[in-house]
Amino acid sequence: QQPVQSPQAVILREGEDAVINCSSSKALYSVHWYRQKHGEAPVFLMILLKGGEQKGHDKISASFNEKKQQSSLYLTASQLSYSGTYFCGTQAFTGNQFYFGTGTSLTVIP
Amino acid sequence: NAGVTQTPKFRVLKTGQSMTLLCAQDMNHEYMYWYRQDPGMGLRLIHYSVGEGTTAKGEVPDGYNVSRLKKQNFLLGLESAAPSQTSVYFCASSYLYSGLQETQYFGPGTRLLVL
Repeated sequence: QQPVQSPQAVILREGEDAVINCSSSKALYSVHWYRQKHGEAPVFLMILLKGGEQKGHDKISASFNEKKQQSSLYLTASQLSYSGTYFCGTQAFTGNQFYFGTGTSLTVIP
Repeated sequence: NAGVTQTPKFRVLKTGQSMTLLCAQDMNHEYMYWYRQDPGMGLRLIHYSVGEGTTAKGEVPDGYNVSRLKKQNFLLGLESAAPSQTSVYFCASSYLYSGLQETQYFGPGTRLLVL
């Protein structure tokens, strides 16, 4: 029931773009994205609802493909501050339980 | 507002000892969660609570017990600690709006080492 994230790790140079994917085997109601910096707690980025909605702020955006039960997080023109581990979290239609993915480590280098 | 706080921040236990981790939130959230985070495993849900006096099992509940006697507090207990419980423990809280789970707010974490 834990969503699968890909890639597991990515290294970027400043200014490059990245895409992180999150896939679930269950029909999803919502997808959340969080970022965790080393030694800190996860911090909320955004929530996406069923319906193919796309959201974003600054240069980070995300989409939700309900049919594929997949969400993608897009980081454009990456900055050093984007480094961290990105987690998706999913909530299925049935039940309240919420599952986090295994995380994607993103490192932005100068 | 303090948000979500956790006590203690760090603890070392010997195998077989017991301890309780305290989580407190001041946002009047109904939902509270305990996660453990291990390298390469992401965040795994131990137990959660949908309101005062209620608790439910998550993905990895074995070896842990919880209690939610007050809405603002969620306690995680280890009755007999084992080295496999060495981990970073995060507490989180959220509320449910129209069936949609809203943002989870995380505490700073508790690092537990079991020798």
